[in-house]
Amino acid sequence: GQNIDQPTEMTATEGAIVQINCTYQTSGFNGLFWYQQHAGEAPTFLSYNVLDGLEEKGRFSSFLSRSKGYSYLLLKELQMKDSASYLCAVRDSNYQLIWGAGTKLIIKP
Amino acid sequence: IAGITQAPTSQILAAGRRMTLRCTQDMRHNAMYWYRQDLGLGLRLIHYSNTAGTTGKGEVPDGYSVSRANTDDFPLTLASAVPSQTSVYFCASSGGETHNEQFFGPGTRLTVL
Repeated sequence: GQNIDQPTEMTATEGAIVQINCTYQTSGFNGLFWYQQHAGEAPTFLSYNVLDGLEEKGRFSSFLSRSKGYSYLLLKELQMKDSASYLCAVRDSNYQLIWGAGTKLIIKP
Repeated sequence: IAGITQAPTSQILAAGRRMTLRCTQDMRHNAMYWYRQDLGLGLRLIHYSNTAGTTGKGEVPDGYSVSRANTDDFPLTLASAVPSQTSVYFCASSGGETHNEQFFGPGTRLTVL
């Protein structure tokens, strides 16, 4: 079956760095997405990786290793507004997104 | 309209009743999707449409139906609601952007009693 694993919850301090991991087992691979979802709101697109390596976008970076079925989202200079759930999703061979359950990130002052 | 809209925002429904959740996008995206999101679970695909006039079943289609008469609208119908369909429902669309990422509507919170 298809499976995406990410930690349920993480806590970090304002101004610090946090890494959210995602491992996947899917039928085919056509890219990996990270989305941010604030409580009570819709998911919003953060990043996309299809080739191995690091993609940097401001304070957020995302890494992919296809051979290991592994990705991480790195958030730097954490701000209180970064408190949210972070969803990992893989586009499979049918071009459908398979979603992880999300990681709830709690930022403490 | 800017992006995707969903209606209603929330609804409490008696079991056995019929309910249609509405979704409209103005981005001229070809593909549209319906997901449900339950606590502790990832987004689960109910139905999708790759283009107007076509629909397909996702991971959890039972008890739901969809239609795609035109590009903009993609309604989701619960023919006879059951309590296990209590969830938050998100409509999404994709097409044209660099990575074909999905854009989400604000969601409908549905409670079936």
